[in-house]
This record gives sequence, structure tokens and C-alpha cells, in this order.
Amino acid sequence: ETGVTQTPRHLVMGMTNKKSLKCEQHLGHNAMYWYKQSAKKPLELMFVYNFKEQTENNSVPSRFSPECPNSSHLFLHLHTLQPEDSALYLCASSQDRPDRILGEQFFGPGTRLTVL
Amino acid sequence: AQKVTQAQTEISVVEKEDVTLDCVYETRDTTYYLFWYKQPPSGELVFLIRRNSFDEQNEISGRYSWNFQKSTSSFNFTITASQVVDSAVYFCALSVSGGKLIFGQGTELSVKP
Repeated sequence: ETGVTQTPRHLVMGMTNKKSLKCEQHLGHNAMYWYKQSAKKPLELMFVYNFKEQTENNSVPSRFSPECPNSSHLFLHLHTLQPEDSALYLCASSQDRPDRILGEQFFGPGTRLTVL
Repeated sequence: AQKVTQAQTEISVVEKEDVTLDCVYETRDTTYYLFWYKQPPSGELVFLIRRNSFDEQNEISGRYSWNFQKSTSSFNFTITASQVVDSAVYFCALSVSGGKLIFGQGTELSVKP
């Protein structure tokens, strides 16, 4: 595997289900991100992990719970979602710099989530 | 506050036409990076270019070229002799100190044969 991979690619879940999205990067980067992309809206940054520590939580509802066990893996745990949470969820990674200016982010293919 | 504006929501051209995608940004930082990404129907964002705020040289890569003008806070992207495979949503993005990447709303380009 190369680049950034995400599984599953498609997910349909009910509002009472619990599921997890997985992201893995094979680029040796030290920062990973979760974005939400809804129809007709710009990408919304959800979470940032830098050296496995969460450095950004962009006012995301608690029904989304991130986990970063190491610098190569990132999870997004989902529970009691709402239909408006249906979107494309994109994972990205980058090699962060000490001055915190980002290098280019490399994105995975995304998980298309539908909440019924 | 930082902001990226892509005023063109959708553009439709015929193959072989040239097309320019506009990007205007706002930031008070003097050090920043600008990016362009392509999102084809498959969903994955593909990195195209990164430009830092101290380098105003225009860049050309094959049929792609970028015009960075600090005086107008613009970072426009031109595709020359467009092809059907160029059909995608294109995002302009801004990165400042603090590690956040701010995306524009995207421009959906449709190239018809």
C-alpha cells in the first residue's frame, strides 16, 4: 500500500449504530487530519493530530471521537449520528514543520458515509 | 482572520479551450503557503502545487500554470488546452502558522468533448 488509505470506502449506518472509520498513511508523516466534506460546502477540518497528540478540535460534536494510536493510524469512531452527518470523510497526512506551517497534505480516497 | 474565496462555483468549457480558475485569499500573516488540489469524481484530493508567500514567480507544469500576485492576494490557476480528464473540482487552500489548512469552496470544472 502506498500513500493514504481509508476503509471502508462506503458506509451506511443507522442513527443508533456504532462504527469506526480507519485511516492509514504509509508516507512517514507526523501529522494526520480528519475532514468532513458535505455537498456544496468547503472542506471542514475536524481534528488534527501532531505526533499523536490532538492539536485541533474544530468544535466537532462528541458523537465523533478520534483516536490516533500511532503516527501511521487514525480512527474516527462514530455513534448516535444524525442524518446531517452524511458526508464524505477525508483523512490526510503531512510532514509538519517546527514553525507549524504545513507541508502539502496528502489525502486518502475518503469514506462516503450515509446515516439513515 | 484567514479566508479563501473561489468565486466561480462551476465552469464549463469545450475541450482544447483554455480556462482560468480564480482564487483570492485573505490573511494578515506575512508567511504563508498557498495550494491547489484537484478532486476527481473518485473523491481523493490530489495535490497540484504549493507556493510560499515569498516566491511570486509564476510556475508552469505542462498544461498547468499558476499566477501568484500578492498585490491582489490572488493565486489563479490556468489549464491550457483543456481535456476531458481535467473535469474535477479544484480547491485553492491557504496555510498559515498554527498548522491549519483553509480551503476555498471549490470550483467544479466540466470539460466537454
